Amino acid sequence: EAGVTQSPTHLIKTRGQQATLRCSPISGHTSVYWYQQALGLGLQFLLWYDEGEERNRGNFPPRFSGRQFPNYSSELNVNALELEDSALYLCASSSRGATNEKLFFGSGTQLSVL
Amino acid sequence: AQSVTQLGSHVSVSEGALVLLRCNYSSSVPPYLFWYVQYPNQGLQLLLKYTTGATLVKGINGFEAEFKKSETSFHLTKPSAHMSDAAEYFCAVSDKAAGNKLTFGGGTRVLVKP
Repeated sequence: EAGVTQSPTHLIKTRGQQATLRCSPISGHTSVYWYQQALGLGLQFLLWYDEGEERNRGNFPPRFSGRQFPNYSSELNVNALELEDSALYLCASSSRGATNEKLFFGSGTQLSVL
Repeated sequence: AQSVTQLGSHVSVSEGALVLLRCNYSSSVPPYLFWYVQYPNQGLQLLLKYTTGATLVKGINGFEAEFKKSETSFHLTKPSAHMSDAAEYFCAVSDKAAGNKLTFGGGTRVLVKP
């Protein structure tokens, strides 16, 4: 069974540009979560999507946005990139209705903003 | 709001020695608690979780954790460290009001000395 896949693995952008990160959840999972892991800041919750809808949002500015597609894959978009957006972005998925079940994480996209 | 505090961002242990990673949480409702491990250049992998029932939880790779409500703690232990345990460990609490959203502690990086 394929796990959570993220692409690209590495992404290099310059300040002011836009970045698009992609995530494919485990087959059968309908919930997708995005986390930012910046150096020294731990894992910060970004967004939660379920059944195509944004269900919850972390304390991030509006230039962080995303969407979930009918096949439950997801995109995270970061506009007007800033140097401090450099981080590992992790995507996780879980199955529908599985409250408090474990999340399955992808290996992440390392975003570097120059 | 929920929060997690991990005492010690870095821990160094000798091979064969006890591993003890501390985690304290804050939650207004009975918590569901997790420990995740992150190996270099990888995503997060679930070590163990506490939901209800027995307060001593056994996980993979010989790790276990004990939920102590009176101390609001969920410390992770392993009797004998192995070189392969070198990784970063994250304690997390789930937010029932937000599905499976996890709030993570800052992480503890474990170094195992031969």
